[in-house]
Amino acid sequence: DIQMTQSPSSLSASVGDRVTITCQASHDISKYLNWYQQKPGKVPKLLIYDASNLEPGVSSRFSGRGSGTDFTFTISSLQPEDIATYYCQQGWLTFGGGTKVEIK
Amino acid sequence: QITLKESGHTLVKPTQTLTLTCTFSGFSLTTSGVGVGWIRQPPGKALEWLALIYWNDDKRYSPSLKSRLTITKDTSKNQVVLTMTNMDPVDTGTYYCVYEDHWGQGTLVTVSS
Repeated sequence: DIQMTQSPSSLSASVGDRVTITCQASHDISKYLNWYQQKPGKVPKLLIYDASNLEPGVSSRFSGRGSGTDFTFTISSLQPEDIATYYCQQGWLTFGGGTKVEIK
Repeated sequence: QITLKESGHTLVKPTQTLTLTCTFSGFSLTTSGVGVGWIRQPPGKALEWLALIYWNDDKRYSPSLKSRLTITKDTSKNQVVLTMTNMDPVDTGTYYCVYEDHWGQGTLVTVSS
């Protein structure tokens, strides 16, 4: 059973800041890591698949990297519309606990 | 266009069995590599993956809920059915049907006597 550990659970940053979220898998998952954005009351939206591939139409402010067990998700310049909870997901299976991103 | 829609009882009593149906269109569960899954989200809490069924009838379950879950498919009807036994109030939440990055709108299930 693969566990996904995501950190931090929440963060507060200023507009324009660089924001990084990490996700660690308990076992090697190769590149099979997705990142989702969920805004309140909305269905989650896939931003990045296979660790580093940007979903079509998604802002290039978002990026991901990593392989094996350690992965990172970055917002290069935080914007007000990025306020949301972000989740990592192993393949199409287990999710991390989520990171709530707020504006300072 | 790919669509998925969840249906089923939205209010269940503790100890009862929940049955949810996902009806989809725009793809086929007979196509190699295709899988349809269920994810839930308690109010104000994180997403939780529940189960996944593949085109070849291979099934995967959340280890923590495996004993309570059954996922099946009916390819003639383009449907996937999830059953969860022994429901408890902590199982209250929105249940989503998912195919890759396509999500249904979700259905709110409330467990209460």
